[in-house]
Amino acid sequence: QVQLQESGPGLVKPSETLSLTCTVSGGSISYYYWSWIRQPPGQGLQWIGYIYFSGNTMNNPSLKGRATISVDTSKNQFSLKVRSVTPADTAVYYCARSQWLVSEFDHWGQGTLVTVSS
Amino acid sequence: EIEMTQSPATLSVSPGERATLSCRASQSVSRNLAWYQQHPGQAPRLLISGASTRATGIPARFSGNGSGTEFTLTISSLQSEDFAIYYCQHYNNWPPWTFGQGTKVEIK
Repeated sequence: QVQLQESGPGLVKPSETLSLTCTVSGGSISYYYWSWIRQPPGQGLQWIGYIYFSGNTMNNPSLKGRATISVDTSKNQFSLKVRSVTPADTAVYYCARSQWLVSEFDHWGQGTLVTVSS
Repeated sequence: EIEMTQSPATLSVSPGERATLSCRASQSVSRNLAWYQQHPGQAPRLLISGASTRATGIPARFSGNGSGTEFTLTISSLQSEDFAIYYCQHYNNWPPWTFGQGTKVEIK
């Protein structure tokens, strides 16, 4: 059974860069689409972007180019960086898997809370 | 960007009763619609994909219906573990994928 686990700092200062990694275990990162999704406290879900194992990516325009997603197939990991963060970026960040580009998220990590505060 | 609107925001139901949740898309998403369940402090869990196909291990009391812009999730007889927040999400044609704002199913 594939499992996803997010990791990274839980506190980031305003204007700095948020960095998270998702480690995939129990299966290969190859031939799947991998997304980052976030949920501000008490709010709904927002898709941030995806990466294919080959490196093709697409981000949500709502983040105005601040998000970058990368993949390291040798480590079965993919990562998220969000630059120039503000308190509005405070959220639980989830990584998730899709079998195809146009498909549902069938596996999720447990999520990690990132707080943006000085 | 396709906007997903869920109703009602909160649904109060007694255990054993039927619950019907609605999701509307601002434009057609065909049947490219998923439903997720989220308990407090947990990640969302996939319930339904393709508007009506139950995910692995999801009980038969959960059913999805609809196509185009109108969708429903029905829980035929609510169990204690079903009280949670439910989200719909489209994955039609091209990103960005968007979610509804959620429906909270609470104990009446």
